[in-house]
Amino acid sequence: DAKTTQPTSMDCAEGRAANLPCNHSTISGNEYVYWYRQIHSQGPQYIIHGLKNNETNEMASLIITEDRKSSTLILPHATLRDTAVYYCIVREGGNDYKLSFGAGTTVTVRA
Amino acid sequence: NAGVTQTPKFQVLKTGQSMTLQCAQDMNHEYMSWYRQDPGMGLRLIHYSVGAGITDQGEVPNGYNVSRSTTEDFPLRLLSAAPSQTSVYFCASSYWPEQYFGPGTRLTVT
Repeated sequence: DAKTTQPTSMDCAEGRAANLPCNHSTISGNEYVYWYRQIHSQGPQYIIHGLKNNETNEMASLIITEDRKSSTLILPHATLRDTAVYYCIVREGGNDYKLSFGAGTTVTVRA
Repeated sequence: NAGVTQTPKFQVLKTGQSMTLQCAQDMNHEYMSWYRQDPGMGLRLIHYSVGAGITDQGEVPNGYNVSRSTTEDFPLRLLSAAPSQTSVYFCASSYWPEQYFGPGTRLTVT
């Protein structure tokens, strides 16, 4: 699986957009980008995934660069409840049951 | 739906003891997985199953056994607990593209 690189931590103001970067320069053509988050030691929660097109759902948007070597998760209006560790994971489609979680980015949303 | 349930929530074991962590899901998912999470780290895959009767090893399988006799249940057995197995254990079931995680079992081995 392609490795991912994320910043260790970042702060965001409540109500503002949070942009979380992820580098995955060795991603292969059949690998998807998944994002999960983990709030205060709860089980991780799926956010969004994508292959090459930008994706949006009720939680977030995922922007993948044209060369697919990096992506950005966007939380459009961060709230205090979005404070969590965010994981960017690259994995072949269909293999989502054996994900490899790195250290992630600790996002702190401040009032 | 209850989703993915795990019992117990907390457990303290002495070195050398054995125990089973229970995991159940009511979503009829074929795929299930066990992960462990050590302090300040991401999750690491222990074992996984792609259906009843089929299991395979993940990244850190040593010291753990699993079985999958039904679609619903996927227990994790610690054969002889060691302090290095002190961790939080998460069970998950999957239906592409999403993994659904349980609340975790916090295990301390003294």
